[in-house]
Amino acid sequence: KAGVTQTPRYLIKTRGQQVTLSCSPISGHRSVSWYQQTPGQGLQFLFEYFSETQRNKGNFPGRFSGRQFSNSRSEMNVSTLELGDSALYLCASSPTGSENIQYFGAGTRLSVL
Amino acid sequence: AQSVTQPDIHITVSEGASLELRCNYSYGATPYLFWYVQSPGQGLQLLLKYFSGDTLVQGIKGFEAEFKRSQSSFNLRKPSVHWSDAAEYFCAVGGGGNKLVFGAGTILRVKS
Repeated sequence: KAGVTQTPRYLIKTRGQQVTLSCSPISGHRSVSWYQQTPGQGLQFLFEYFSETQRNKGNFPGRFSGRQFSNSRSEMNVSTLELGDSALYLCASSPTGSENIQYFGAGTRLSVL
Repeated sequence: AQSVTQPDIHITVSEGASLELRCNYSYGATPYLFWYVQSPGQGLQLLLKYFSGDTLVQGIKGFEAEFKRSQSSFNLRKPSVHWSDAAEYFCAVGGGGNKLVFGAGTILRVKS
């Protein structure tokens, strides 16, 4: 089975731009969660989607949004980028019935200049 | 609120020596506990998990962890470290849906 796939692996944007990151979960997994990883704040939960609905949300501003499609693929969008949004964004998927067991992708490294 | 503390930011051990990485958690109910490992530039790989039952859990790559409710701890151990174990290790707690709270991580260095 293929693992969690995140695209692109690397992105460079400038302040004020917006960005969209993509995540394809493991086949059959319907839950997708997103995390932000920075040296200063560590790993922080952004949000979780299950069956196209946001089920959990972390403490991030509204500039961070996401969605999930009927095939469970998920996208995360950050609008009006700030320098502090530079981070590794990790996506994880979970099998139904095994909540909390999360399998992570390799991440998207976002650099905001 | 859930929280996880990993007291050691860096640990250096010699190849072949034993390893213990510490993790303390705060959670009101029975927690789900995890250890993940991250190599540079990579995502997180699940090493092991504890949900209930036997408090000593075995994971991949020869790692094990022991849940001690009285100490709110979930320490990771390995009897003999290999150079390929050098990485960053994260302890995490979950309990409310698919939202994990991670510790700050411990960077393991292995010297030959």
